[in-house]
Amino acid sequence: GDSVTQMEGPVTLSEEAFLTINCTYTATGYPSLFWYVQYPGEGLQLLLKATKADDKGSNKGFEATYRKETTSFHLEKGSVQVSDSAVYFCALTTPVDSNYQLIWGAGTKLIIKP
Amino acid sequence: DTGVSQDPRHKITKRGQNVTFRCDPISEHNRLYWYRQTLGQGPEFLTYFQNEAQLEKSRLLSDRFSAERPKGSFSTLEIQRTEQGDSAMYLCASSFGGSREQYFGPGTRLTVT
Repeated sequence: GDSVTQMEGPVTLSEEAFLTINCTYTATGYPSLFWYVQYPGEGLQLLLKATKADDKGSNKGFEATYRKETTSFHLEKGSVQVSDSAVYFCALTTPVDSNYQLIWGAGTKLIIKP
Repeated sequence: DTGVSQDPRHKITKRGQNVTFRCDPISEHNRLYWYRQTLGQGPEFLTYFQNEAQLEKSRLLSDRFSAERPKGSFSTLEIQRTEQGDSAMYLCASSFGGSREQYFGPGTRLTVT
């Protein structure tokens, strides 16, 4: 079945460091790919998305490129801030599922130290 | 735009009791989803409504769980005869039309003692 695999956390970085959180997927057809973020005590927020191969999603300095050849959607940010500390989830929906349910990775906790 | 709201935010109940959660989606969003999230895991799909019709239920949704969405507006999720394994965060999300973007509420954290 369809699945998403994320790198395990926690990932601990110093402020202004470069961030990469790896995400790979297995899916039927051409999925849409998403990154959601969950700040402490808050709900899930859509961070960025990509709907077809080679699309780049971006928001708040974060970027991710839909790589069909490597079935990946890695999240990157050039210079992280303490306020980026959160749990990041990679997710997908596939056209096979007409209900568009999201299939999720386990999440990666990011800790940014000042 | 008030976003997706859920009530209550926290619920503590004793094993064997029934609980009901409410979700109010973004107005005009015709799709509504329920997910369950346990600590350290990603959310798991429970069920999905398009307008008032419940179109899919996960096998995770045992007979003790029931969900409704009367008139295609708010939705309720009821758990009967709660068990300790039901302790989790219950998330509601909504989306509009053919969009694959889902917008989430803050969740209801259930603790069964």
